Amino acid sequence: EDKVVQSPLSLVVHEGDTVTLNCSYEVTNFRSLLWYKQEKKAPTFLFMLTSSGIEKKSGRLSSILDKKELFSILNITATQTGDSAIYLCAVGTSGTYKYIFGTGTRLKVLA
Amino acid sequence: NAGVTQTPKFRVLKTGQSMTLLCAQDMNHEYMYWYRQDPGMGLRLIHYSVGEGTTAKGEVPDGYNVSRLKKQNFLLGLESAAPSQTSVYFCASSYPESFLDTEAFFGQGTRLTVV
Repeated sequence: EDKVVQSPLSLVVHEGDTVTLNCSYEVTNFRSLLWYKQEKKAPTFLFMLTSSGIEKKSGRLSSILDKKELFSILNITATQTGDSAIYLCAVGTSGTYKYIFGTGTRLKVLA
Repeated sequence: NAGVTQTPKFRVLKTGQSMTLLCAQDMNHEYMYWYRQDPGMGLRLIHYSVGEGTTAKGEVPDGYNVSRLKKQNFLLGLESAAPSQTSVYFCASSYPESFLDTEAFFGQGTRLTVV
């Protein structure tokens, strides 16, 4: 059975801290790994990773994939209160292009 | 720039009632998905479609039916609503992998309460 596991489930930090969110997966026909940020409504896309070892970066956020160990991390540096959200990891599978989501990590950044 | 539009945004149903959730996308995407999101459960795939006229079951299909009569629309039906179907429902769409590796685009969600 395909599975995506995120850790930690929740996290509370102070502004300026650096956080690392984890996503591990066990799926057949891996195609891509995606990170989304969900505030109040629809998830919004952050990154898509398909190759091991290549870091994707957008401002204070970065992510990397390890296809050998089957995990990805999402780093957020110098956190701000606006980073408070649920961060979702999803794996896209080849063949039938399904996205399997993890349970998410709820991040709260305190001022 | 509508993207993915879900109708309705909120609904309260009584147990046993039926309803249909509508998802419409204007990006000419082949693939469409229905997810439900419950606290602590992430997004779980209910049904999906890889093209007009085709549907397939996801992780949690029981109690739901779907139809994809037109490429731009994906309907989710509840024939006899149960309290366990109280959830937030998200529709999403994407390109097929043969065209472009891309993310799924989400609608704004439908909050459904079954009493």
